[in-house]
Amino acid sequence: AQSVTQLGSHVSVSEGALVLLRCNYSSSVPPYLFWYVQYPNQGLQLLLKYTSAATLVKGINGFEAEFKKSETSFHLTKPSAHMRDAAEYFCAVSKNQGAQKLVFGQGTRLTINP
Amino acid sequence: DGGITQSPKYLFRKEGQNVTLSCEQNLNHDAMYWYRQDPGQGLRLIYYSQIVNDFQKGDIAEGYSVSREKKESFPLTVTSAQKNPTAFYLCASALTGGGKTQYFGPGTRLLVL
Repeated sequence: AQSVTQLGSHVSVSEGALVLLRCNYSSSVPPYLFWYVQYPNQGLQLLLKYTSAATLVKGINGFEAEFKKSETSFHLTKPSAHMRDAAEYFCAVSKNQGAQKLVFGQGTRLTINP
Repeated sequence: DGGITQSPKYLFRKEGQNVTLSCEQNLNHDAMYWYRQDPGQGLRLIYYSQIVNDFQKGDIAEGYSVSREKKESFPLTVTSAQKNPTAFYLCASALTGGGKTQYFGPGTRLLVL
């Protein structure tokens, strides 16, 4: 079975500071990995995804993530936080075979302090 | 513009009532999904469909039903058997195949009167 653990349900950083949101996964087969962002009362928007090409993946809004197989991690980073980055972030995993069902982490709420 | 629409935005259910949430997509995607979101629990898969006239249960299908009569539409019915239906419901669609992105609708918030 696959699972995703996001360390920290709430993360708070100052505007301009580094953003680091942690995601660890468990999968019995090579995974596909995704980061989504959700603004209040809205649907989810894809930030970036890993599909076994480059291990460092660049996404929208200046975010990037690095797939580390040895650590089973896919942490999300952004060098300099903006107020507009305040949202909830979800990491998700799917198998590279069969039906593409996503398994989500519990989410991390990011707060940006002025 | 292509996308996914969900209606209504807010839905109120009375005790013992069945309610249906609408999900429509014009992205020509074969696969469609329904998720339930509760605070602090992430998203959980209710049902999914990879092709018209076929669907499978997800992790929390009890108390829910779906149909897939058209490629564009995947309505979700919350039955009276679902004892705790208050949640935010999200519909998604995707092309079939490995690593394809799921695109999400804006969601429906279901509240119990």
